[in-house]
Amino acid sequence: AQSVTQLDSQVPVFEEAPVELRCNYSSSVSVYLFWYVQYPNQGLQLLLKYLSGSTLVESINGFEAEFNKSQTSFHLRKPSVHISDTAEYFCAVNTGFQKLVFGTGTRLLVSP
Amino acid sequence: EAGVAQSPRYKIIEKRQSVAFWCNPISGHATLYWYQQILGQGPKLLIQFQNNGVVDDSQLPKDRFSAERLKGVDSTLKIQPAKLEDSAVYLCASTSAMEQYFGPGTRLTVT
Repeated sequence: AQSVTQLDSQVPVFEEAPVELRCNYSSSVSVYLFWYVQYPNQGLQLLLKYLSGSTLVESINGFEAEFNKSQTSFHLRKPSVHISDTAEYFCAVNTGFQKLVFGTGTRLLVSP
Repeated sequence: EAGVAQSPRYKIIEKRQSVAFWCNPISGHATLYWYQQILGQGPKLLIQFQNNGVVDDSQLPKDRFSAERLKGVDSTLKIQPAKLEDSAVYLCASTSAMEQYFGPGTRLTVT
């Protein structure tokens, strides 16, 4: 069965510093990978996705993630974070039939 | 286009009471999901509908949870009777192609 591991439950970082949120998955089939962001008291919003093609995918607000098949990883990075990036970030894998399995989430805390 | 709508946003009930949540997906989205998100955890799929048929309800506690999507559009999730461990955010989502769109969720507190 597919599963997603986010080892870091919380990542504190200072504003304008780089950040990496780690995601590893297990799957015996081809995967589609996603990062979702959840701001307080809101639903999940899609940040970026890997379906096929280039292994490096980018979001409109400066985040990027790289699909690494050999390491079964899909880490999320941003070279310079902003206070407004403070949120919970969830990695997810599509298991087929349009179903998603989510990781436990990483809380990104950006301080001035 | 309008997003996924959910109501109510917040609900507080006592254990053994019943509660119902409503979801209206994005227009034209055939697939609808209900997730349970317990504090500190990722969302867990409870049930998936394709139009008005159930695709997967393997993780739905059927002794107390029920869901329906009678006309293939909006959906209702019910808990009867509620337990303390049902305290969570209940998220509804609908799908276009490979992307799931989530509603704001209903935060349920069972006391």
